[in-house]
Amino acid sequence: DAKTTQPNSMESNEEEPVHLPCNHSTISGTDYIHWYRQLPSQGPEYVIHGLTSNVNNRMASLAIAEDRKSSTLILHRATLRDAAVYYCILRYGSNFGNEKLTFGTGTRLTIIP
Amino acid sequence: NAGVMQNPRHLVRRRGQEARLRCSPMKGHSHVYWYRQLPEEGLKFMVYLQKENIIDESGMPKERFSAEFPKEGPSILRIQQVVRGDSAAYFCASSPLPAGGTDTQYFGPGTRLTVL
Repeated sequence: DAKTTQPNSMESNEEEPVHLPCNHSTISGTDYIHWYRQLPSQGPEYVIHGLTSNVNNRMASLAIAEDRKSSTLILHRATLRDAAVYYCILRYGSNFGNEKLTFGTGTRLTIIP
Repeated sequence: NAGVMQNPRHLVRRRGQEARLRCSPMKGHSHVYWYRQLPEEGLKFMVYLQKENIIDESGMPKERFSAEFPKEGPSILRIQQVVRGDSAAYFCASSPLPAGGTDTQYFGPGTRLTVL
């Protein structure tokens, strides 16, 4: 499976944008880039996913490099409730054999009031 | 629409006892996944089930652990003869049909197992 590399931790001030990077230099052409986050003492929750084009939803934006070897999750205006561990996960684009999520160590995001 | 439900939320067992963890998927979801998170570690995949079938159990320990997802009722993760090393948070997730790598897994709140 293609691997992802993320910084162990990041800090950001409240109400400022946050850019969470992820490197995936061995990504294949059919791998989707997914982001999940885990708030303290909770189960993970889906944030966003994309293939090649940048994506936006109500929670965040995903910027994907042109060569797809890296991506950035963008929280436009961080709040204290965004403090969590953020996981960047690659999923093969097939209906079989790609069901499980392979979590790395993620990035622990701390929001400073 | 209720989310993924897990019970109990907290479970305490003594060494050698059995632990049964239950997971009710979201309505309309027929695919269930179990993950384990050891203290201060990341989540690790354990098993993937569809109704009455185990599809992928590559992450399950070879002994003492079993999982099922019957035609009726919740999915059950069963740990026999628990040891202290089984103490962890166990998360269940569900999803609708696989969608070529684009489907979302919805996680429950987890069951925190403590083995004394």
